[in-house]
Amino acid sequence: SQTIHQWPATLVQPVGSPLSLECTVEGTSNPNLYWYRQAAGRGLQLLFYSVGIGQISSEVPQNLSASRPQDRQFILSSKKLLLSDSGFYLCAWSVNGNTEAFFGQGTRLTVV
Amino acid sequence: RKEVEQDPGPFNVPEGATVAFNCTYSNSASQSFFWYRQDCRKEPKLLMSVYSSGNEDGRFTAQLNRASQYISLLIRDSKLSDSATYLCVVNRRAGNAGKSTFGDGTTLTVKP
Repeated sequence: SQTIHQWPATLVQPVGSPLSLECTVEGTSNPNLYWYRQAAGRGLQLLFYSVGIGQISSEVPQNLSASRPQDRQFILSSKKLLLSDSGFYLCAWSVNGNTEAFFGQGTRLTVV
Repeated sequence: RKEVEQDPGPFNVPEGATVAFNCTYSNSASQSFFWYRQDCRKEPKLLMSVYSSGNEDGRFTAQLNRASQYISLLIRDSKLSDSATYLCVVNRRAGNAGKSTFGDGTTLTVKP
């Protein structure tokens, strides 16, 4: 069966520090991969998606970047965090663009 | 106007009640539809897909009206454990991937 791992679960980082969140999927090949952010009390905002290694599409301009160095690995990064980067970050995968997505457990990031 | 709109609630209902959530979407090119459930500070989990013919899973019934661009979720005989936020999700193709747009969610509290 397929599983998705995301870490760390919580993170407190100072303003201006770098960020690296990692997500890996097991049990499937060539998944679509996604990074979402959820502000408190709000829905999910799609940040990045990827249909293959090295292929990244950005949905909104921001202080973040994403990379997919391997088929089942998706990384969210920032060189310098801002206070506004705080939020609940969720990685997800799907078989293709028309099927349901399955989420990792999320990373709660607080920038202080 | 948001691409996916939900009544935020909150809905406060007694155990055993029937409750209905509505969702509207603006993009007529949308292709697939889902309801997710999200517990407090947890990742969203797929509740059910939504088909044009309507579909039922135990106490839950989902319906789609493509002409009106409207999706609904009906919960019968509410349980305390149904308390959560319910997210409406609409997918459409975006290049080789799919783009999932989430509503902001409807919060349900079931009380004894």
